Amino acid sequence: DQQVKQNSPSLSVQEGRISILNCDYTNSMFDYFLWYKKYPAEGPTFLISISSIKDKNEDGRFTVFLNKSAKHLSLHIVPSQPGDSAVYFCAAIRGTQGGSEKLVFGKGTKLTVNP
Amino acid sequence: DAGVTQSPTHLIKTRGQQVTLRCSPKSGHDTVSWYQQALGQGPQFIFQYYEEEERQRGNFPDRFSGHQFPNYSSELNVNALLLGDSALYLCASSLVWRGEKLFFGSGTQLSVL
Repeated sequence: DQQVKQNSPSLSVQEGRISILNCDYTNSMFDYFLWYKKYPAEGPTFLISISSIKDKNEDGRFTVFLNKSAKHLSLHIVPSQPGDSAVYFCAAIRGTQGGSEKLVFGKGTKLTVNP
Repeated sequence: DAGVTQSPTHLIKTRGQQVTLRCSPKSGHDTVSWYQQALGQGPQFIFQYYEEEERQRGNFPDRFSGHQFPNYSSELNVNALLLGDSALYLCASSLVWRGEKLFFGSGTQLSVL
């Protein structure tokens, strides 16, 4: 039972354009969402998060949008850079505002940004 | 400031054997979580240790056990290895009371033959 779904295994975009990575969830008890980025041979690194009381959070080139009614979130990267090429994981937490509790991850989307 | 360190980086075992993986948390962190990432999957939560006790556990059998030491480092033990245990095992640390985002190590790649 996949509670966090990333339905696109891969995405390819041109440098300078927008990258949009999507994530859907099924558990309405999730109240905090995070995006992690993973390079080969490295562990995931935290990128950006959003609480369920918000619908948008920005950090530089990265913006996360949350649509609670649709149980959908998306990560926008503008402009995309070749260094953004990595696997992006969407993750969710139930019942806490923190990030140190049990995370439920999606399968990830491999983003390739072409020069 | 050293981040989360895991050892070994790679390991090959045969079915039925036992394995121990080690993790040192980021300096200042007191909570360690372990995740299993199978090929093509996202990381799956195994368990979390705080104050040397298992605080939360995911849907993993009792063959998976752990320990946290007074210096906050941690071990993951897997007994009676199965082929399906082949995966990347990730350790993550945090400061639980501040709700710190997880900091992950690079993982141990376990292959069970």
